[in-house]
Amino acid sequence: DAKTTQPPSMDCAEGRAANLPCNHSTISGNEYVYWYRQIHSQGPQYIIHGLKNNETNEMASLIITEDRKSSTLILPHATLRDTAVYYCIVRTTTDSWGKLQFGAGTQVVVTP
Amino acid sequence: DSGVTQTPKHLITATGQRVTLRCSPRSGDLSVYWYQQSLDQGLQFLIQYYNGEERAKGNILERFSAQQFPDLHSELNLSSLELGDSALYFCASSVEGQGGNEQFFGPGTRLTVL
Repeated sequence: DAKTTQPPSMDCAEGRAANLPCNHSTISGNEYVYWYRQIHSQGPQYIIHGLKNNETNEMASLIITEDRKSSTLILPHATLRDTAVYYCIVRTTTDSWGKLQFGAGTQVVVTP
Repeated sequence: DSGVTQTPKHLITATGQRVTLRCSPRSGDLSVYWYQQSLDQGLQFLIQYYNGEERAKGNILERFSAQQFPDLHSELNLSSLELGDSALYFCASSVEGQGGNEQFFGPGTRLTVL
């Protein structure tokens, strides 16, 4: 699975959009981009995933560049409960038996 | 609430002892994964079971073992415990073992080895 690079931390004001970048320059054609988050010592929570097209769900939007070498997770209206470590994970969905390889992630702090 | 349950929530034991962590997957999920999260190593994949069979192994020590029972619950056994085994242990489940199905994580078991 390709590796990802994320900034170690970022701050965001409550009510504003939070844009979390992720670089995955070695991503392969059959690899998806997944985002999970972990709120202090709780179990990680699935947010969204995508292959090529932009994706949106009730939690967030995922914007993937045309060359697929980077992506951005957008939390449209950040709340204090969005303070968490956000993990960007790239994984194949064909050969892998599903394990997730977590990096260090981005610590997001939402401030009032 | 992810639907995945783990017991116990906290476990304190001494070096050299053996403990068993239990996980019940979401209803209908056939695959169970175990992860370890320590301060210095981050979240590490340990092992995966699918419908009772071992499917993938990660950085799991030989002192650790797991199994998945016919009712699909899983147990992670940790023996000859060392101080460095102190960590959060998470279980996750998904509908299938392969492919893009998202994993749902339990609340974790915090193990402290004294």
